[in-house]
Amino acid sequence: AQSVSQHNHHVILSEAASLELGCNYSYGGTVNLFWYVQYPGQHLQLLLKYFSGDPLVKGIKGFEAEFIKSKFSFNLRKPSVQWSDTAEYFCAVNGDNRLAFGKGNQVVVIP
Amino acid sequence: GAVVSQHPSRVICKSGTSVKIECRSLDFQATTMFWYRQFPKQSLMLMATSNEGSKATYEQGVEKDKFLINHASLTLSTLTVTSAHPEDSSFYICSARLKGLVRYEQYFGPGTRLTVT
Repeated sequence: AQSVSQHNHHVILSEAASLELGCNYSYGGTVNLFWYVQYPGQHLQLLLKYFSGDPLVKGIKGFEAEFIKSKFSFNLRKPSVQWSDTAEYFCAVNGDNRLAFGKGNQVVVIP
Repeated sequence: GAVVSQHPSRVICKSGTSVKIECRSLDFQATTMFWYRQFPKQSLMLMATSNEGSKATYEQGVEKDKFLINHASLTLSTLTVTSAHPEDSSFYICSARLKGLVRYEQYFGPGTRLTVT
């Protein structure tokens, strides 16, 4: 079964700072990779996804992620965060036809 | 498009009673629906996978007699928590997969906060 690791569970940064959230997974087969965001009081929303092709994936709201197969990683980045990016971010991996989620990163952006 | 709703959004029940949570795909047909449980400050844990017209597949450690799942149509799945206890208090989230979608993608509902007193 697949597993997902996310580090730095709590991240606090100022507006305009750059954000990078790490995601590592373990799974021996072909995977599909996702980043989801959960804003306070709202449901999970898909930020971006990777199935195949260009390993640099661009998502909504200025987010991007890079799939590095050799490192089993799918890190999320945003060059300049806004206060509205305050949320919880989950990395997820699909293998064996089920999604496995990481524990999430709680990101707080200070105005 | 691809909206998933859940009802109710919040429910409080007494210990020993049963609670039913509905998950609906509003504008698409979902061959497969998933039920997750999310504890505070933790990740989503898959409880079961529900395929329309067949029995749900439960993850290891999830009691199938306690968490009854029914997927009677392509747009509706229900989760019934039977004989609920305080330890069942949690946030329950469903998701749905589009019928015919080749690539794997799930759309999530807003979740149901269950509190058992």
